[in-house]
Formats: sequence, structure tokens, C-alpha cells
Amino acid sequence: GQQVMQIPQYQHVQEGEDFTTYCNSSTTLSNIQWYKQRPGGHPVFLIQLVKSGEVKKQKRLTFQFGEAKKNSSLHITATQTTDVGTYFCAGPGGGGSNYKLTFGKGTLLTVNP
Amino acid sequence: KAGVTQTPRYLIKTRGQQVTLSCSPISGHRSVSWYQQTPGQGLQFLFEYFSETQRNKGNFPGRFSGRQFSNSRSEMNVSTLELGDSALYLCASSFAGGSNTGELFFGEGSRLTVL
Repeated sequence: GQQVMQIPQYQHVQEGEDFTTYCNSSTTLSNIQWYKQRPGGHPVFLIQLVKSGEVKKQKRLTFQFGEAKKNSSLHITATQTTDVGTYFCAGPGGGGSNYKLTFGKGTLLTVNP
Repeated sequence: KAGVTQTPRYLIKTRGQQVTLSCSPISGHRSVSWYQQTPGQGLQFLFEYFSETQRNKGNFPGRFSGRQFSNSRSEMNVSTLELGDSALYLCASSFAGGSNTGELFFGEGSRLTVL
């Protein structure tokens, strides 16, 4: 079945450093979504990418969707303590259906002030 | 507008018991998905409902079941609980009028501990 893999599993940075998490799918995706889960919280939608090669920015966050629509990345410039949390990518499909999102296992980001 | 509401937020059960969790989606959302979250396995898809129909089911044993009511509220049930069922159970709703899931709005989750 479809697999979505994320690396790294953990990342610890000093405040002000950059951070990148990578997401790879075993199948071509129609779109990819990114979510953030703060410690003790629930996943919150960040963005959806649809087009091949698409790049979107949200303030210090830059999201990319690969040309083959099988990989994606999230880059945070100059991390802040408010960026702490687990970042998940998710793609639709798997099991022959688009009516589900398959999540990667996430990258836990910790930031040392 | 109100977000996704899950009840109960916390519960403790013993092995062999059964549990029912409830989810009220955002008003107007007809799709409800359930996920199991554990530290080792991340977010695992359980099932998705749309207009009272289960459209997709994950790879969980038959002890895990769910349903959706005409008002889009959903319940999931786990029977004959096992220690490994201890997890955070997350419900997410979406408009999902088309063939893709669309953005998911998650509830706070129900944290189940099985002793």
C-alpha cells in the first residue's frame, strides 16, 4: 500500500537556526498537505500543495512539492520557540481510495532558546 | 464557528472491556475520519464516513468499528480492549464534497488508557 515517509524523525536546533523536514511518497500524489501538532495538542492544517514543482510561503515557512509529485519539503527560516512541535506531511489515497489521508510519522522539532 | 468536539477527553478502561468514543464535526462538514495516534506508529487511519456511509477503512481488526449518524456526528467503538489499544484517538472532519479529502480539522482527541 501507499507509504509516506518523513525524515528526520527528530530535529533539535538553536533558536535562529533553519530547519527542514522531507517527505517522500511511494506513489504519485494528487496533492500533499502539511500539519503541525504542538506538544499535547492536535494536528492543525498548515497548507496544501497541488501543482508539480509548486512552492508556497507562509512567513518564515516555505513548502515545496516535487516535480514528480512524490516528494515535498518544509523549510523554516530562523526558527523560534513557537515553532516547536511535530510536523506531518500527508497524502490522499492508499487502499484504492482518495477518501483518506496517509500521514508520515512526522518530524519532532525542538528549539533551544 | 465551533470546532470538532470529541468526548470523552480521557478515559481509563481495563482489558476486555469495550469503549465508545464520540465526535461532533464542524457544522456543514459531512466527512468524518478517525485516526489512532501512538508514539511509535504516528497517525494511523481507522475509517472515514461521509453521509452515513463508510467510504474507507484502515488496517485495523474488526474490534474497531464506527458509524455516522444523519446529523454527521460519528462514533467509534472498540470491543475487547487490549493493552495495545492505549492511544490518542483523533477525529477529523472535512467538507470533502469531491473525491479528495480536503483539509482536515481535528478535534482535541480522546486519550484512552487500557490497564
